[in-house]
Amino acid sequence: GQNIDQPTEMTATEGAIVQINCTYQTSGFNGLFWYQQHAGEAPTFLSYNVLDGLEEKGRFSSFLSRSKGYSYLLLKELQMKDSASYLCAVRAPGGATNKLIFGTGTLLAVQP
Amino acid sequence: DAGVTQSPTHLIKTRGQHVTLRCSPISGHKSVSWYQQVLGQGPQFIFQYYEKEERGRGNFPDRFSARQFPNYSSELNVNALLLGDSALYLCASSLGGSSGVLEQYFGPGTRLTVT
Repeated sequence: GQNIDQPTEMTATEGAIVQINCTYQTSGFNGLFWYQQHAGEAPTFLSYNVLDGLEEKGRFSSFLSRSKGYSYLLLKELQMKDSASYLCAVRAPGGATNKLIFGTGTLLAVQP
Repeated sequence: DAGVTQSPTHLIKTRGQHVTLRCSPISGHKSVSWYQQVLGQGPQFIFQYYEKEERGRGNFPDRFSARQFPNYSSELNVNALLLGDSALYLCASSLGGSSGVLEQYFGPGTRLTVT
């Protein structure tokens, strides 16, 4: 089966750091993605991990542990515009190269 | 350059009707994928087309079908609409081939409401 778990909602303060966790149990693994989705808009690509470790990109970092089926997205120096839903997605191997299995998303609210 | 475009932006249909959703990929992109996103959930994979051929299908009933045209635009068709088909339908395009998912860009979506 395919199962991706994320917290439903999180709240953080402007300027702070927040970590959004994602655990997955999938039949096969070929990379993990994080997307940001503002209300009423399309998801936009944030990060991609296929090997264990930390990938840093500006204020955003993503970590992967394949043995634990675990990833997190770290957002630093939070800004109000970071209020959005954050989607964790696993790429399934074989078949469709673009098939992503998404979690339900974590709705992050950044407060002043 | 224009991004992925989808039409219509919003649509209201009645149960049992048929609907056609359209997607134009980014210029030069040959792969189009369709996702269904129910309110409060993550997107669910429906189809991928690459070079006009179906390359993958998600766990959706046969009421859902799609095709890709020679200009790489795509249509998603849903027959015999059910209330549960109400969702945001997202189209994503990519170059395709080995470049695959890293260059996948989503369109703004079509919001379908079935009454």
